[in-house]
Amino acid sequence: AQTVTQSQPEMSVQEAETVTLSCTYDTSESDYYLFWYKQPPSRQMILVIRQEAYKQQNATENRFSVNFQKAAKSFSLKISDSQLGDAAMYFCAYRSAPKAAGNKLTFGGGTRVLVKP
Amino acid sequence: SQTIHQWPATLVQPVGSPLSLECTVEGTSNPNLYWYRQAAGRGLQLLFYSVGIGQISSEVPQNLSASRPQDRQFILSSKKLLLSDSGFYLCAWRGRDTILFSPLHFGNGTRLTVT
Repeated sequence: AQTVTQSQPEMSVQEAETVTLSCTYDTSESDYYLFWYKQPPSRQMILVIRQEAYKQQNATENRFSVNFQKAAKSFSLKISDSQLGDAAMYFCAYRSAPKAAGNKLTFGGGTRVLVKP
Repeated sequence: SQTIHQWPATLVQPVGSPLSLECTVEGTSNPNLYWYRQAAGRGLQLLFYSVGIGQISSEVPQNLSASRPQDRQFILSSKKLLLSDSGFYLCAWRGRDTILFSPLHFGNGTRLTVT
């Protein structure tokens, strides 16, 4: 079974600065997808960014970008120009290839991001 | 557009009482449906998923059960709640494999407190 590990329980960043969240995963598969979700205090899960394993180019969504290192099984998230609204729990998630039963998402334990004004 | 409804938003139940949480999806057909649980300050644990009506897969042994009586309806139940069932429950859906890269879409969650 796949596992996802987020080694940083909490990260603090100054407003307008950059913070990087780490995520590693364990899998024997070659085809899979990776996601970062954000959970603000409202507890709604919001998709931040996603990456297909067969694409070497790192995904970018506005101020959010990833560093995908397939050989190292690492998928870090960088938040640039941090804003107060970025304060939330961030979850890294893994999903197997399309034909896998149920296409389940496996989540890491989360990293809480605090943004200081 | 697709929407997902989950209710109730909060629930306080005594130990030993039954449970029924409901989730419905609108604007799509034949979705994959999921129930996740989030313990306080922790990540999400997949409880059940369903790829079709009446098809339920359980990920972990527990005091809960799930049912899918209709295509876009997913119900989480228990006959007798335990204190350890307290947590935040999230329903989610995903489109079929015609959209291979589609993410999970989550409901707003139910906060369950068992007293």
